[in-house]
Amino acid sequence: DADVTQTPRNRITKTGKRIMLECSQTKGHDRMYWYRQDPGLGLRLIYYSFDVKDINKGEISDGYSVSRQAQAKFSLSLESAIPNQTALYFCATSDWTGRTDTQYFGPGTRLTVL
Amino acid sequence: DQQVKQNSPSLSVQEGRISILNCDYTNSMFDYFLWYKKYPAEGPTFLISISSIKDKNEDGRFTVFLNKSAKHLSLHIVPSQPGDSAVYFCAASTTGTASKLTFGTGTRLQVTL
Repeated sequence: DADVTQTPRNRITKTGKRIMLECSQTKGHDRMYWYRQDPGLGLRLIYYSFDVKDINKGEISDGYSVSRQAQAKFSLSLESAIPNQTALYFCATSDWTGRTDTQYFGPGTRLTVL
Repeated sequence: DQQVKQNSPSLSVQEGRISILNCDYTNSMFDYFLWYKKYPAEGPTFLISISSIKDKNEDGRFTVFLNKSAKHLSLHIVPSQPGDSAVYFCAASTTGTASKLTFGTGTRLQVTL
């Protein structure tokens, strides 16, 4: 079984709709992240959470919100989807060692906003 | 402001030869560097990392070199295999409780027969 799972894997929606992407992990990590990938731009951080009570904005948080329901679950919401939010979305987890922080990624969700 | 740069969007190498992927960074506070490999329809997978206290880290066919004075790192794959064909992302962070990764834009490696 995969350590980091994302649902759905693919989603097509219309402008203005509310969308939720879900992420679950069995790695027991405290830290969780949401990224988006666009062609030619690499991965950009949307939101991150270092524990259940901690939520932080990343570099491109506008238009997104998150919820950390439990240590193992971190969901990303698009309150009113727009076409330029069409992208690949990745969830990641990490276990801070006290010095370094290697992240482990889920398989991604391909979102298309028409 | 792209703090981590991979200036080669693509690279083609023959099977058995060496693949060299390059990465430059501008933030002198970065002190931990990682390489990730990504296949289509999958998430990035961690490949190898290096701390700034080292200038080389090796793991099987993969070696990462760090040149702090030039703010440059490179990933060497020897020998290259067709299964290495993927997009490779360089990432950097600062050590500490609030460390986050900053990713480069990726280099697509094609290993040909």
